[in-house]
Amino acid sequence: EAGVAQSPRYKIIEKRQSVAFWCNPISGHATLYWYQQILGQGPKLLIQFQNNGVVDDSQLPKDRFSAERLKGVDSTLKIQPAKLEDSAVYLCASSFNYRDRSSPLHFGNGTRLTVT
Amino acid sequence: AQSVTQLGSHVSVSEGALVLLRCNYSSSVPPYLFWYVQYPNQGLQLLLKYTTGATLVKGINGFEAEFKKSETSFHLTKPSAHMSDAAEYFCAVSKYSSASKIIFGSGTRLSIRP
Repeated sequence: EAGVAQSPRYKIIEKRQSVAFWCNPISGHATLYWYQQILGQGPKLLIQFQNNGVVDDSQLPKDRFSAERLKGVDSTLKIQPAKLEDSAVYLCASSFNYRDRSSPLHFGNGTRLTVT
Repeated sequence: AQSVTQLGSHVSVSEGALVLLRCNYSSSVPPYLFWYVQYPNQGLQLLLKYTTGATLVKGINGFEAEFKKSETSFHLTKPSAHMSDAAEYFCAVSKYSSASKIIFGSGTRLSIRP
């Protein structure tokens, strides 16, 4: 099966600029996640979708971050305006169904964002 | 609240030596536990998981982990380290709520000495 696809792989922007990341999950996976991984730390969940609905966005900085999954497949994560502390790897993951606690996550290779 | 603590941000072992990466969890309900591995410039990949049943879980690449409820631990081991095992390892717990999600530890970087 094809894995989780993410683009771009790398992005460098200046602070106060905007940026968008794209993710295509594994076919048939209803749940999609965006994680932020700061250097030296574990991934932190930003937002979780079930089909095209938001399940959890409690840790998403909503003043600058937004995400959508309009058709329940692809998803886009946007940052506007970016801050220096947003420099991180943004990981997209998918799973078959979040209601199954044993369902593992399948990760993409991530987008490394550098804000200067 | 569910959480995981990984002891040791960096572990270095010689090739052929035992690998032991430590993970302790806290959970108010029976936990579902995972170990993931991350190679440089890649996403995370599932190594193994514990849900219910047998407490000794075998995973890919010769790794295994034992769930010890009395110690609230889920340590990862491999009898003989290989150079290709050098990577970042993350312990994770599945948070039990209406919106089940996975919480990751801070990670342990494993280095292998020739």
